[in-house]
Amino acid sequence: QSALTQPASVSGSPGQSITISCTGTSSDVGGYDYVSWYQQHPGKAPKLIIYDVINRPSGVSNRFSASKSGNTASLTIFGLQADDEGDYYCTSYATGNTVVFGGGTKLTVL
Amino acid sequence: QVQLVESGGGVVQPGGSLRLSCAASGFSFKNYAMHWVRQAPGKGPEWVAVIWFDGSQKHYIDSVKGRFTISRDNSQNTLYLQMNNLRDQDTAVYYCAKSLHSADWYWFGSWGQGTLVTVSS
Repeated sequence: QSALTQPASVSGSPGQSITISCTGTSSDVGGYDYVSWYQQHPGKAPKLIIYDVINRPSGVSNRFSASKSGNTASLTIFGLQADDEGDYYCTSYATGNTVVFGGGTKLTVL
Repeated sequence: QVQLVESGGGVVQPGGSLRLSCAASGFSFKNYAMHWVRQAPGKGPEWVAVIWFDGSQKHYIDSVKGRFTISRDNSQNTLYLQMNNLRDQDTAVYYCAKSLHSADWYWFGSWGQGTLVTVSS
């Protein structure tokens, strides 16, 4: 049950786009289409922004887009806004009826 | 709207026990799998356990197997986490989370505000 690998930090200017990667193995990301992404602001609970690899829950901006190729999933945020600043975590279902989180990526909007 | 309110956190010595509760409202609790997810200070979240909508299946992260027990009371719309033989590394904010859909359990669609568990001598 090793954590998925994410870059520690990414940054971008308002209006730009950024991509966060999430790398696992064939026992999690690569083996199942059960990847999700969460946004967390300081002192708050995480918020689901992507599920089922590519789907957005109701109310989540279409500036958030995601994909998967092999053992790596990716989250892209288009048109960066100040409120996008925070921590982002990927998760995946993993063999053995568990869920594994990524280590997290801190997004800074310059 | 969905509301999840955790309680029961506190300071406990290593080897001690605590029971967390999560009071749910705003949705049909009996139809959804429910989770506990924890987050140690300054760290990312870590999934801890899930219980099926009817309690028929329970799954845990390896590090808590044999020490933690997840349960639910659908008549009281309440989720529980019994934590025994607590260790320093169990120190975290513990969140109760609702599955996004009733038909699956992989996504955490709603979260509570969390309750802090501190294991320290």
